[in-house]
Amino acid sequence: ETGVTQSPTHLIKTRGQQVTLRCSSQSGHNTVSWYQQALGQGPQFIFQYYREEENGRGNFPPRFSGLQFPNYSSELNVNALELDDSALYLCASSRGLAGVREQYFGPGTRLTVT
Amino acid sequence: SQELEQSPQSLIVQEGKNLTINCTSSKTLYGLYWYKQKYGEGLIFLMMLQKGGEEKSHEKITAKLDEKKQQSSLHITASQPSHAGIYLCGADRGNSGGSNYKLTFGKGTLLTVNP
Repeated sequence: ETGVTQSPTHLIKTRGQQVTLRCSSQSGHNTVSWYQQALGQGPQFIFQYYREEENGRGNFPPRFSGLQFPNYSSELNVNALELDDSALYLCASSRGLAGVREQYFGPGTRLTVT
Repeated sequence: SQELEQSPQSLIVQEGKNLTINCTSSKTLYGLYWYKQKYGEGLIFLMMLQKGGEEKSHEKITAKLDEKKQQSSLHITASQPSHAGIYLCGADRGNSGGSNYKLTFGKGTLLTVNP
């Protein structure tokens, strides 16, 4: 196990609703990245937070937003849910801006939008 | 088209057999990562390759990087049921105009090992 935890494990929402997913980073890590993995696909980068500020963003619409807290845990918020948002959402934590080589992934949150 | 193409998409082997999974990039590779994922779970880091010709091994898994071909291979020797899962390659695009903060992944290869 990596020490990165995510909650909840599973979630079912209705189209149009809003959802918040949570990630606790590994001890000593101050960077959190979020990825979306649709069924049968590889993870797609959503965004990264470093010391409470967004440090990069992938090709996702503004209804995907995030936060990082002083303890370096993070939230991913998705507004106006669409059916295509159904996916496994993974967070990865790392120390500083050392790049991806030190990223450790959590177990993921499975979101189903009906 | 995908930046990273993995082949095959799926693979079924008999326990004890050797197998190879390939990952080809359409762009320059600064770092190539291999992960294993059990269905619906998080990613487990296997290996990172950075230099052309680099080869790394861990237990029965060996990965190689051919920088000129922009390609990496993952080889499993004497496969076991515990090797079953989805193998993902990820590319670090490096500092070409931005910080190397994200991984770009292939679609994965689903490996089944029959006892």
